[in-house]
Amino acid sequence: NAGVTQTPKFQVLKTGQSMTLQCAQDMNHNSMYWYRQDPGMGLRLIYYSASEGTTDKGEVPNGYNVSRLNKREFSLRLESAAPSQTSVYFCASSEAGGRNSPLHFGNGTRLTVT
Amino acid sequence: GDSVTQMEGPVTLSEEAFLTINCTYTATGYPSLFWYVQYPGEGLQLLLKATKADDKGSNKGFEATYRKETTSFHLEKGSVQVSDSAVYFCALGGQNFVFGPGTRLSVLP
Repeated sequence: NAGVTQTPKFQVLKTGQSMTLQCAQDMNHNSMYWYRQDPGMGLRLIYYSASEGTTDKGEVPNGYNVSRLNKREFSLRLESAAPSQTSVYFCASSEAGGRNSPLHFGNGTRLTVT
Repeated sequence: GDSVTQMEGPVTLSEEAFLTINCTYTATGYPSLFWYVQYPGEGLQLLLKATKADDKGSNKGFEATYRKETTSFHLEKGSVQVSDSAVYFCALGGQNFVFGPGTRLSVLP
């Protein structure tokens, strides 16, 4: 049982380049999330998808777009990367998105923008 | 809005020492509370949870009790091991989780 799988694990981009971070879960969860983790800033929510077909902005959505491709997959796109987007990105999923549903995390994508 | 406060550390202990990591929260309603652990180079893993007042969550020797009167959910372990070295996050559950800043724990042999 793989859980939440993120690709790639590492990426280096030049300023202005674009890329898509992929996330897939095999737990039949309804809700999926993208977070970024920065030193001293903790975890910040970028976007989430409460259910297939819906997406909503989180705390720090600027510079990002998302696609909930189907129930399993939720991708994060950087259209024009900036050094401020250097971070570790985590995808997570939960069964129902309610107060009792824990989040299940992938192992992260470490992105450096030069 | 909802928030979580936890001691940021770093916390350094010797093996077999007693561990407490404090966590307090501010929330409307009655949230579920969670502790997550992050080992180097990995994502966050659920350690334990409690869904209502006076519930005690436990896992791998770690415990935390949901205290509504003090709005706290302190993490404890009676005897830490080197393998417990990690970053620990307290969190409020809901559609959008609220995480504390994390507490780095180092356990020395």
